[in-house]
Amino acid sequence: ETGVTQSPTHLIKTRGQQVTLRCSSQSGHNTVSWYQQALGQGPQFIFQYYREEENGRGNFPPRFSGLQFPNYSSELNVNALELDDSALYLCAGGTGGNEQFFGPGTRLTVL
Amino acid sequence: DQQVKQNSPSLSVQEGRISILNCDYTNSMFDYFLWYKKYPAEGPTFLISISSIKDKNEDGRFTVFLNKSAKHLSLHIVPSQPGDSAVYFCAALHSGTYKYIFGTGTRLKVLA
Repeated sequence: ETGVTQSPTHLIKTRGQQVTLRCSSQSGHNTVSWYQQALGQGPQFIFQYYREEENGRGNFPPRFSGLQFPNYSSELNVNALELDDSALYLCAGGTGGNEQFFGPGTRLTVL
Repeated sequence: DQQVKQNSPSLSVQEGRISILNCDYTNSMFDYFLWYKKYPAEGPTFLISISSIKDKNEDGRFTVFLNKSAKHLSLHIVPSQPGDSAVYFCAALHSGTYKYIFGTGTRLKVLA
């Protein structure tokens, strides 16, 4: 039990639409990171938030954006969905140390 | 540009024997390494980690070895159990960046 939950579990969207994925972390997780895991690949870092501000970003375009809220919840927003955005999206909470604790992920399918 | 590589997509081991999972990296700035285990329909679960100032870290049946000169780390599981069957990811980190770089994973199957 990592103390990190994500919703929804699965989601189907069509190309060009927008999507919001949600993550709820536990008290003490002052950082939240989002990862994209395509089929057969390892998770790819999208960005991290610390104290509600973006703290680092991977090689993802600006249509991937996020928010972190004071109640340890966060959102990942993706605009203008493309077919290649189909993946498992993982959120991870951290306490500022090196270990991160992952949620079960949201499986996004873009048709 | 694959900075962290797990060259074996899969591995099968008999129950009770040793499982050895390997990981290579290219970026000498990485100073912290982690192993995660992932079951289907679950997120990765932290297993064990090692700082670059060490060459070995042990936790029960799990031991991670780090060879900095070869830019290579390995995870040893002894003895292997059927419940260890999962996908194992290694991840590397440059402390302070909080940006994990993951390998592509190795699927371990422990045969009863």
